Amino acid sequence: NAGVTQTPKFQVLKTGQSMTLQCAQDMNHEYMSWYRQDPGMGLRLIHYSVGAGITDQGEVPNGYNVSRSTTEDFPLRLLSAAPSQTSVYFCASTSGPGGYTFGSGTRLTVV
Amino acid sequence: AQRVTQPEKLLSVFKGAPVELKCNYSYSGSPELFWYVQYSRQRLQLLLRHISRESIKGFTADLNKGETSFHLKKPFAQEEDSAMYYCALSGLNQAGTALIFGKGTTLSVSS
Repeated sequence: NAGVTQTPKFQVLKTGQSMTLQCAQDMNHEYMSWYRQDPGMGLRLIHYSVGAGITDQGEVPNGYNVSRSTTEDFPLRLLSAAPSQTSVYFCASTSGPGGYTFGSGTRLTVV
Repeated sequence: AQRVTQPEKLLSVFKGAPVELKCNYSYSGSPELFWYVQYSRQRLQLLLRHISRESIKGFTADLNKGETSFHLKKPFAQEEDSAMYYCALSGLNQAGTALIFGKGTTLSVSS
């Protein structure tokens, strides 16, 4: 049972490049979320999903897209990376309110 | 607006001293509140949820609706308690599954 798996663990992008952060869970959780973690800012919600085909914006959605075609996968897309998107990104999933299981994170640097 | 406030960025205590990590929230309905912990370079882990009213690793937290607080307490701190602690509120959407986090408090326990 792998839990929540995020890939890649580290990534360096040039400004303007695009990429997809992958997130997969094998617990059949309905709810999934993406957060970014920045020093002094805590974790901020980017996008979340309450089931396959259903997504919604969180606190800081600008510059990010998501889709949820399957229960297992919830990729986060950066269409045109900016230095302000340098952060650690966490994916999380849960079967019900609150008790989220987190992935190990992706450390992204945009130069 | 939903908001979680952790007023202390850093809390330094000696081993054996009592610990109280403060958390205040703003929410119009009935909140669900949680404490998450992140040890150095590890993923976030759920520590406590207010509905379970349990003690984990000696930590307890009581929801005070009158003061809109959910402070985390431990009577005798241990060095292994050193970590980042996040208070979180569930209630962004009707499913109550997306979490809003505070900015976190770093707990440093020294001998």
